[in-house]
Amino acid sequence: DAGITQSPRHKVTETGTPVTLRCHQTENHRYMYWYRQDPGHGLRLIHYSYGVKDTDKGEVSDGYSVSRSKTEDFLLTLESATSSQTSVYFCAISEPTRKGQSNQPQHFGDGTRLSIL
Amino acid sequence: EDQVTQSPEALRLQEGESSSLNCSYTVSGLRGLFWYRQDPGKGPEFLFTLYSAGEEKEKERLKATLTKKESFLHITAPKPEDSATYLCAVQDNYGGATNKLIFGTGTLLAVQP
Repeated sequence: DAGITQSPRHKVTETGTPVTLRCHQTENHRYMYWYRQDPGHGLRLIHYSYGVKDTDKGEVSDGYSVSRSKTEDFLLTLESATSSQTSVYFCAISEPTRKGQSNQPQHFGDGTRLSIL
Repeated sequence: EDQVTQSPEALRLQEGESSSLNCSYTVSGLRGLFWYRQDPGKGPEFLFTLYSAGEEKEKERLKATLTKKESFLHITAPKPEDSATYLCAVQDNYGGATNKLIFGTGTLLAVQP
């Protein structure tokens, strides 16, 4: 298994509270990603990072922010949680695909189940 | 806009009953098509990458094939332990620089003994 740890694994919180989810990797991979997974929508990209302090928005970034101060850690923050952000959140990592190399797949953690009441 | 559609949404098979899962896609220049397996309460686990039409990859009872419009995941003589959700994802030439993926909604496979 890829060395990816997500914490917490489960969290229940109230609308309007700030929430931070953590993804920690031991693989020294350059790229890191945050997804949410909802029934009928599949996995949707929230934000991603292509290096320390280098991040960009994904498909569903509204209401979320991220930070990456170290290669191994990628944080996802919900500044003021809403019920629509109830979901399962997955972190993924990958290495850059270099010229002449096969495409590098993403490897996933086991997720954080977040419920916002 | 890139799009990935998987069918059927759910499939129930008897042990040993072979079948196929479908992944159809529209993408502005396919850089790669990925298959993942996801067990309940777990993250997706990488299975295969396919790059060009006509390519095939195999792993145990699974074989993935690719055409210009779709990919199939063939399951031969499945066992109960093959029960999982199978996800398909594509990477286009634009997203290739950062390995970004567009996922389908998956096929939930149940194999009964």
